[in-house]
Amino acid sequence: QKEVEQNSGPLSVPEGAIASLNCTYSDRVSQSFFWYRQYSGKSPELIMSIYSNGDKEDGRFTAQLNKASQYVSLLIRDSQPSDSATYLCAVRVGMLTFGGGTRLMVKP
Amino acid sequence: EAQVTQNPRYLITVTGKKLTVTCSQNMNHEYMSWYRQDPGLGLRQIYYSMNVEVTDKGDVPEGYKVSRKEKRNFPLILESPSPNQTSLYFCASSPGTAETQYFGPGTRLLVL
Repeated sequence: QKEVEQNSGPLSVPEGAIASLNCTYSDRVSQSFFWYRQYSGKSPELIMSIYSNGDKEDGRFTAQLNKASQYVSLLIRDSQPSDSATYLCAVRVGMLTFGGGTRLMVKP
Repeated sequence: EAQVTQNPRYLITVTGKKLTVTCSQNMNHEYMSWYRQDPGLGLRQIYYSMNVEVTDKGDVPEGYKVSRKEKRNFPLILESPSPNQTSLYFCASSPGTAETQYFGPGTRLLVL
C-alpha cells in the first residue's frame, strides 16, 4: 500500500470553478503536510503547508487537514487556465513522502 | 538569488559509463536530498543528507552514490548506469528536516 495516495486524474474543471484535490496518507504519526504544484517539465514549487487540523487559506488556495480521517485536501477557488498543472501532496514522517500527483486541467 | 542548481540539465549516456550530476545550493541549508520522478510513480527519494558527511538511503538507493563534503554541494553519482535509471532527477534542499524543500530545475537522464 502506497503511503500517500492521490487520484492521478486528470481532473477537469471549467474556468472560474472550484477545483478540489484530495490526498490520503497511511501513517498516523505524520506531522507536516505540503501541497506542491508542478508544471510539465518543471520542478515542484510549494503552494501550501499545513500542520494542524482545520483549514488554512492563502489567496485562492485553501488546504484542509483531517488527521483523524488521514486526509488532506487542496481547494482552488476561481480556477484559472494557468492553474493547469500536476499537484503533488507530500507528507513528512521523518522523510518527505510524495503522492503520485493529480493532474488538473482548467478549461477556458 | 536563493536557488538550487543542477548540472547538467540534460544528459544522454550509455550503459556502464560513470556519470555525476552536480547539485549546489546557496541558502546554507543543512538538509539536501535527491529524488527521481517517473510517470505513474511520482517523486521517490534516492538519498538524503542531514549535514556535511552525513548521508542516508531513501526509498530507491540502489545503483546510486552520494557524497556531502561541503554544505552547499551534494553530487549524485551513477557508477554504472543502466537503462532503468532513465528518469527525471531533482535535487532539493531545506533548512532542516521539518521545513519545506526547495527544488532544483531537474536533470533529465537517458541511459541507452
